[in-house]
Amino acid sequence: AQSVTQLDSHVSVSEGTPVLLRCNYSSSYSPSLFWYVQHPNKGLQLLLKYTSAATLVKGINGFEAEFKKSETSFHLTKPSAHMSDAAEYFCVVSFYNQGGKLIFGQGTELSVKP
Amino acid sequence: EPEVTQTPSHQVTQMGQEVILRCVPISNHLYFYWYRQILGQKVEFLVSFYNNEISEKSEIFDDQFSVERPDGSNFTLKIRSTKLEDSAMYFCASSQLAGLTDTQYFGPGTRLTVL
Repeated sequence: AQSVTQLDSHVSVSEGTPVLLRCNYSSSYSPSLFWYVQHPNKGLQLLLKYTSAATLVKGINGFEAEFKKSETSFHLTKPSAHMSDAAEYFCVVSFYNQGGKLIFGQGTELSVKP
Repeated sequence: EPEVTQTPSHQVTQMGQEVILRCVPISNHLYFYWYRQILGQKVEFLVSFYNNEISEKSEIFDDQFSVERPDGSNFTLKIRSTKLEDSAMYFCASSQLAGLTDTQYFGPGTRLTVL
């Protein structure tokens, strides 16, 4: 079965400290992987995506993620959190020949303390 | 920057009533999608739509749901006879293509409350 799991429902960090949001996927095929962010009352915004070109993917606002096939993981990191990073983050997977269907993780709420 | 818009932002309806949720995708996009998120649960795929036809639909998308592109700009989701369990946030998305790596752009969502 194809699925994606976000290991933490809520992560709290202090401003200026690193961020780690964890994501694992399950699939028999090579997926494409995405991270989306949702700020309150806003749409889901793409942070970055993995498309098999490079395992380390850089996104917007200083975020990056590393695809590790051996660990079936796609964790999202940022070296230094900013107050504006507080939001809900979704790890998302798509698979070939699924009509564009995206499969979402349950989301991780990131809180940033001053 | 072009964006997907959705109206209304919040819809309240009585059980058994029909509702139509509206979306305006990005203008040069060809593929359109609906997702929903029940409170406290994952975002779930409902349906994808291309060239005036449904490309893919989930088990959730049963006969009470329908989608339409009535003109060149709008994309609608109709729920014929709403149930309490239809209460959720509904997201519309669009993409230029539907390949494995193509980005879907999401609207801000419509919160549907069924009483």
